[in-house]
Amino acid sequence: QKEVEQDPGPLSVPEGAIVSLNCTYSNSAFQYFMWYRQYSRKGPELLMYTYSSGNKEDGRFTAQVDKSSKYISLFIRDSQPSDSATYLCAMCLGGYQKVTFGTGTKLQVIP
Amino acid sequence: GAVVSQHPSRVICKSGTSVKIECRSLDFQATTMFWYRQFPKQSLMLMATSNEGSKATYEQGVEKDKFLINHASLTLSTLTVTSAHPEDSSFYICSVLPPTGPQTNEQYFGPGTRLTVT
Repeated sequence: QKEVEQDPGPLSVPEGAIVSLNCTYSNSAFQYFMWYRQYSRKGPELLMYTYSSGNKEDGRFTAQVDKSSKYISLFIRDSQPSDSATYLCAMCLGGYQKVTFGTGTKLQVIP
Repeated sequence: GAVVSQHPSRVICKSGTSVKIECRSLDFQATTMFWYRQFPKQSLMLMATSNEGSKATYEQGVEKDKFLINHASLTLSTLTVTSAHPEDSSFYICSVLPPTGPQTNEQYFGPGTRLTVT
């Protein structure tokens, strides 16, 4: 079993839709959770990070962490064609600790 | 977010040659930089942690004599792929950990270097 599981997609949605991206993980000791956006042939860009359980909102993006279920989510409201990219979840035990990435979900927002 | 540059962005080399990839932190001094490799449709795999002024820490299964890392200054780390082979063809990405980063492990990534070994 992989430490972090993420559906590779692709996920196609119409412009304006609410997008839900998810990851599950097996290591209950993970404390920090991150979402990265990666455009084709580019390096990942940090979108959101959260510590432990709870929600965090930043503009159209909301990150949720449910440590009891070992499940994290990223919601994108009013999705735009420019949101089309691969979204990687990532998590780690703590500072200076190795970060484990999901395989990424490819999202396509259709105008 | 922080600005991280990589050079070159793309390189094609012949089997048996060596290739050097540079990673520069442009916004702040970075004591710690990371090197990742990403194969198509696969996740980022950490290769090594580069610490300024000391030897890099390599992940299990990564040959330190093949992937030479030099972190000679607080803004520059280099990865040299020695005696490259076609199976080394991949997307190599570096990341930096800002001074406030260790608490959260926020990493800022470079744009990546596409290596093709023929």
